[in-house]
Amino acid sequence: NAGVTQTPKFRVLKTGQSMTLLCAQDMNHEYMYWYRQDPGMGLRLIHYSVGEGTTAKGEVPDGYNVSRLKKQNFLLGLESAAPSQTSVYFCASRLMSYNSPLHFGNGTRLTVT
Amino acid sequence: SQQGEEDPQALSIQEGENATMNCSYKTSINNLQWYRQNSGRGLVHLILIRSNEREKHSGRLRVTLDTSKKSSSLLITASRAADTASYFCATDEGNNRKLIWGLGTSLAVNP
Repeated sequence: NAGVTQTPKFRVLKTGQSMTLLCAQDMNHEYMYWYRQDPGMGLRLIHYSVGEGTTAKGEVPDGYNVSRLKKQNFLLGLESAAPSQTSVYFCASRLMSYNSPLHFGNGTRLTVT
Repeated sequence: SQQGEEDPQALSIQEGENATMNCSYKTSINNLQWYRQNSGRGLVHLILIRSNEREKHSGRLRVTLDTSKKSSSLLITASRAADTASYFCATDEGNNRKLIWGLGTSLAVNP
């Protein structure tokens, strides 16, 4: 039981390049989330999904796209990376219940030069 | 937007001492959750307290919730160096499927 797995762990991009971050969970969770964490800013929600085939915008969605084609996977895409997207990205999932906790992956550290 | 506000922002104590950190929030909630984050790692869920509960224990952790003051506290008793981490509170309003996060308290436990 791996929980929530994020790939890659580290990545360096040049401005304008694109990439996809993958999040996979093996707990049959309905809800999945993408956050970014920056010093002094806490966790900010980028996009989230409440089930396969659904996605919704969070607090800071601009510059990102997501897809949830399979229940266990939640992909975060950066179409044209900018230095402001340098951050640590966390994926999380939870059961379809507001009294259930989030399970986090170990993050992807992205640097955009 | 950040609803939870942890206090203090940073705390440094000696091993064996107790650590208390507080969280305030602004709106009605369904539950409040505490998480720990070790350096370079993801967040780990510690404890969830529902809005109709006032106190909850889990091992060396004690959480209280005062909905009239919209505040919660996390007490770690007999702290250990391994407790060194950042601690976050998050509130769940129950109807929008998202948690609202505070900015965290950085705890350093010195051996």
